[in-house]
Amino acid sequence: EADIYQTPRYLVIGTGKKITLECSQTMGHDKMYWYQQDPGMELHLIHYSYGVNSTEKGDLSSESTVSRIRTEHFPLTLESARPSHTSQYLCASSESGSYGYTFGSGTRLTVV
Amino acid sequence: SQQGEEDPQALSIQEGENATMNCSYKTSINNLQWYRQNSGRGLVHLILIRSNEREKHSGRLRVTLDTSKKSSSLLITASRAADTASYFCATSEGGANNLFFGTGTRLTVIP
Repeated sequence: EADIYQTPRYLVIGTGKKITLECSQTMGHDKMYWYQQDPGMELHLIHYSYGVNSTEKGDLSSESTVSRIRTEHFPLTLESARPSHTSQYLCASSESGSYGYTFGSGTRLTVV
Repeated sequence: SQQGEEDPQALSIQEGENATMNCSYKTSINNLQWYRQNSGRGLVHLILIRSNEREKHSGRLRVTLDTSKKSSSLLITASRAADTASYFCATSEGGANNLFFGTGTRLTVIP
């Protein structure tokens, strides 16, 4: 039923590797977001975008970067993964003027 | 930020009972939203209540908002085992569309 897709669903990688977490939505939403969530904990906004070529950092400092070249695509990249990056990463989108978010199923990242 | 806090952190009830979760926040808001998260999954939007509304219903869900106390409650009536999940409140403030999420309430409904 998801209109916003995240891949991969699970990822285990070694320290120092570069990774990109994919997020795509088919709803034409202008606004997209990345949240980081540790198990059983609250969500922290790490990046957001209000449209193509617009990206901003969120409230939680993150070593990741994002890009928004197309409306439907909002990938997140870690240049050099570390064990401290182990977490769940949730992508979301919303329509301009509307406030409800649609979330993807998340990527659970483990850095060993 | 004005991340909310949910209370209780965890709640366990029998199927058929009502479940009430509370959310407190810190500053003025445009709206408050409730989301549900099944274990290890993304969040699902349940209901939105605007700052000028006091109560809203959607199926078995009832949300209240008291802006003077900066608090909201989510009531799930006639709970089912399938309602077992974590429930988060989220607030939107000012002109921003960004949401700030609370700490969540873990609800367990025992069949």
